[in-house]
Amino acid sequence: GAGVSQTPSNKVTEKGKYVELRCDPISGHTALYWYRQSLGQGPEFLIYFQGTGAADDSGLPNDRFFAVRPEGSVSTLKIQRTERGDSAVYLCASSRGGAGRNEQFFGPGTRLTVL
Amino acid sequence: AQTVTQSQPEMSVQEAETVTLSCTYDTSESNYYLFWYKQPPSRQMILVIRQEAYKQQNATENRFSVNFQKAAKSFSLKISDSQLGDTAMYFCAFIKNSGGSNYKLTFGKGTLLTVNP
Repeated sequence: GAGVSQTPSNKVTEKGKYVELRCDPISGHTALYWYRQSLGQGPEFLIYFQGTGAADDSGLPNDRFFAVRPEGSVSTLKIQRTERGDSAVYLCASSRGGAGRNEQFFGPGTRLTVL
Repeated sequence: AQTVTQSQPEMSVQEAETVTLSCTYDTSESNYYLFWYKQPPSRQMILVIRQEAYKQQNATENRFSVNFQKAAKSFSLKISDSQLGDTAMYFCAFIKNSGGSNYKLTFGKGTLLTVNP
């Protein structure tokens, strides 16, 4: 079956602009995660959804970042007033459930560049 | 909080030879999983191998095997018969299997492995 997909693959924007990054999880996966991978680093947790609700958004760096998953499937990560420091690869993952034993399947990421 | 340390930023190996990537971690948990993920230039993070902390037997997947030393909090990855397609970033990762935040993967900084022909 289809894996996790993310669009766009690459996004270049100017400082101060608003961006939306989309994630389509594997069908039937109730858990969805966003991670951010800065250059030369491993991915860092941003937010976890179980169904439609954000169960843990403690990794979001500040209130310019927001994510939704209105129907429990597709998720959108929204960044307002982008800054150069927001430049990174944003990875989405999904799993059957939220416990550690459930493998997280990753998408190919969106590379965000803020000029 | 958990931490994962990969002390080798880069490694290289000749095709068909064996290479070992190192990983140490710090946690007070007893019930957890450890993973090795591969990230090629395509950016797709692919699970290579998984180890449950309660299992004493080291996990193996074809040419990939781990050396899990729970007391030492060490989790190394051995790649045998290295192939050009193994060239990638390799990340060690940790996740709790119970209790709060048992959905949050913690990654190391990665090791860039290059397999030379």
